Amino acid sequence: DAGITQSPRHKVTETGTPVTLRCHQTENHRYMYWYRQDPGHGLRLIHYSYGVKDTDKGEVSDGYSVSRSKTEDFLLTLESATSSQTSVYFCAISGGPNNEQFFGPGTRLTVL
Amino acid sequence: GESVGLHLPTLSVQEGDNSIINCAYSNSASDYFIWYKQESGKGPQFIIDIRSNMDKRQGQRVTVLLNKTVKHLSLQIAATQPGDSAVYFCAEKWGAQKLVFGQGTRLTINP
Repeated sequence: DAGITQSPRHKVTETGTPVTLRCHQTENHRYMYWYRQDPGHGLRLIHYSYGVKDTDKGEVSDGYSVSRSKTEDFLLTLESATSSQTSVYFCAISGGPNNEQFFGPGTRLTVL
Repeated sequence: GESVGLHLPTLSVQEGDNSIINCAYSNSASDYFIWYKQESGKGPQFIIDIRSNMDKRQGQRVTVLLNKTVKHLSLQIAATQPGDSAVYFCAEKWGAQKLVFGQGTRLTINP
């Protein structure tokens, strides 16, 4: 998985609780991304980062926030989880010659 | 709007045959495309990419064809093996860094 780890790999939580997912890379790539994957919707971009403390919204950013205080870590926070945020979350990085994206193993989140 | 679609949601082939997975894209300004393979329980895995100034690119057992006239992308897998069973996604680059993904095609290999 191109030097990308995600934690936790599985999480079950209750509606209204805060949740933070972590993505860690060892490639020193500039760009990092958070996606969610749902049946019928494919992969959709939540937020991305183009450097330390530099982030921008994707197509499904409502209800999510991100932070990047170090090159290697990109955090995704659900301030108050809802059942509609039950999904599989993938982190990706890019920084190669074509800026192709490489994905982590994913985090399965269930909000009850 | 942003959309990358696939002609077929599922594809079944015999082991040893060639597989062809198709993808239609919507943004004629896209200059870069990627095919990913996703096995059950894993993240998408980069297979092969192609820039818009090319029509064809070959990798190990895989070939990507790009037809810009009809905005069509295809992935050909030669001599399909059981390990090729997965969902395959095409992705289209929008702007500097964003990718838009198709829904995916599930490839099943029959023995």
